[in-house]
Amino acid sequence: AQTVTQSQPEMSVQEAETVTLSCTYDTSESDYYLFWYKQPPSRQMILVIRQEAYKQQNATENRFSVNFQKAAKSFSLKISDSQLGDAAMYFCAYRRGVIGGGSQGNLIFGKGTKLSVKP
Amino acid sequence: NAGVTQTPKFQVLKTGQSMTLQCAQDMNHNSMYWYRQDPGMGLRLIYYSASEGTTDKGEVPNGYNVSRLNKREFSLRLESAAPSQTSVYFCASSVARYRSLAQHFGDGTRLSIL
Repeated sequence: AQTVTQSQPEMSVQEAETVTLSCTYDTSESDYYLFWYKQPPSRQMILVIRQEAYKQQNATENRFSVNFQKAAKSFSLKISDSQLGDAAMYFCAYRRGVIGGGSQGNLIFGKGTKLSVKP
Repeated sequence: NAGVTQTPKFQVLKTGQSMTLQCAQDMNHNSMYWYRQDPGMGLRLIYYSASEGTTDKGEVPNGYNVSRLNKREFSLRLESAAPSQTSVYFCASSVARYRSLAQHFGDGTRLSIL
């Protein structure tokens, strides 16, 4: 079974600095997708960034970028120029690629990393 | 654009009571999901509906039932609530279950069972 591990329960960053959140996953599949979701205190789950496993190029979305290391099964999130609004829980999630039936196509989440941003 | 709407946002139940959580999406998505989120845990899938007319169990289905009423609506029912079901419940939807497009989430329902 696939698993997702976020080894940092809490992280802290100074406003305007850069922080990297770690995520590792375990799978025997070659076709899959990885996601980072942000959950602010409002409880909403907001998609931050997505990476397709077959793409070697790391995904970027404005101040957010990933370091995808397929061989190492690592998918870290880098937040540049951190802002107060970035304070939230961040969840890494895994999803298998195109498959047949069963629940294997659903999202598997890590336990999350709580990010604090200091002014 | 409402996206995914969950009702209610908060609810307190007594052990043994029944309750239905409602979820509706206006994005014409095929697939819908119910998750629960417990302290220190990520989201865990309870049930999902790959398309209208189908439902399947996820990781933690015991104690729950679901109904995909139509393409827009996917409800979650607790027939006899137990304190272990105290959690925050999220509904989500996506265009299709087997594509890379991400799931869109509702704002959650905080459910407390005494």
